[in-house]
Amino acid sequence: GQNIDQPTEMTATEGAIVQINCTYQTSGFNGLFWYQQHAGEAPTFLSYNVLDGLEEKGRFSSFLSRSKGYSYLLLKELQMKDSASYLCAVREHGQGGKLIFGQGTELSVKP
Amino acid sequence: IAGITQAPTSQILAAGRRMTLRCTQDMRHNAMYWYRQDLGLGLRLIHYSNTAGTTGKGEVPDGYSVSRANTDDFPLTLASAVPSQTSVYFCASSDSQGQDTQYFGPGTRLTVL
Repeated sequence: GQNIDQPTEMTATEGAIVQINCTYQTSGFNGLFWYQQHAGEAPTFLSYNVLDGLEEKGRFSSFLSRSKGYSYLLLKELQMKDSASYLCAVREHGQGGKLIFGQGTELSVKP
Repeated sequence: IAGITQAPTSQILAAGRRMTLRCTQDMRHNAMYWYRQDLGLGLRLIHYSNTAGTTGKGEVPDGYSVSRANTDDFPLTLASAVPSQTSVYFCASSDSQGQDTQYFGPGTRLTVL
């Protein structure tokens, strides 16, 4: 089975940098996804990591360490619109495309 | 291109009634999924289908059934709704039999009284 842990909530200031951590335990890791979900809306894809290292996409970056079962999502130059829930999800080998989601981290960006 | 659509947007249902939530995608994705999202529990997989004609059980399948008669449609049926099935339901799809990113529909908010 899998266990995925994320902080429940975080607060940061507009213009700052915030790092959202995700730890996981899995029997056969096959990729980690980050999604953003604004209140009342559907999750939208942010990033995907399957190899160790950093993936950068504009203001957002995602890091993976498979040996540590650890990932983080880094958001730079925070904007008010970044206030949302950030979901970490893991895919296992031999399970098709099924994802197991963490509970999500609610990020509040303050002026 | 609409992507993934779900219907209805929201529904209030009496306990014991039968209800089908509809999901349609126009991206010709092989794989489709149904999740429920509850406060404090995150997204949990109910059922999935890796290709038309096949379905599988997810983490919380009890009380739900699905069918996949064609590539585009993946309806979710509650045979006899119970209050614990009050939730927000999301349908998702992905290409390459599930090896690619999942894209989500707008969701259906269901309340069972």
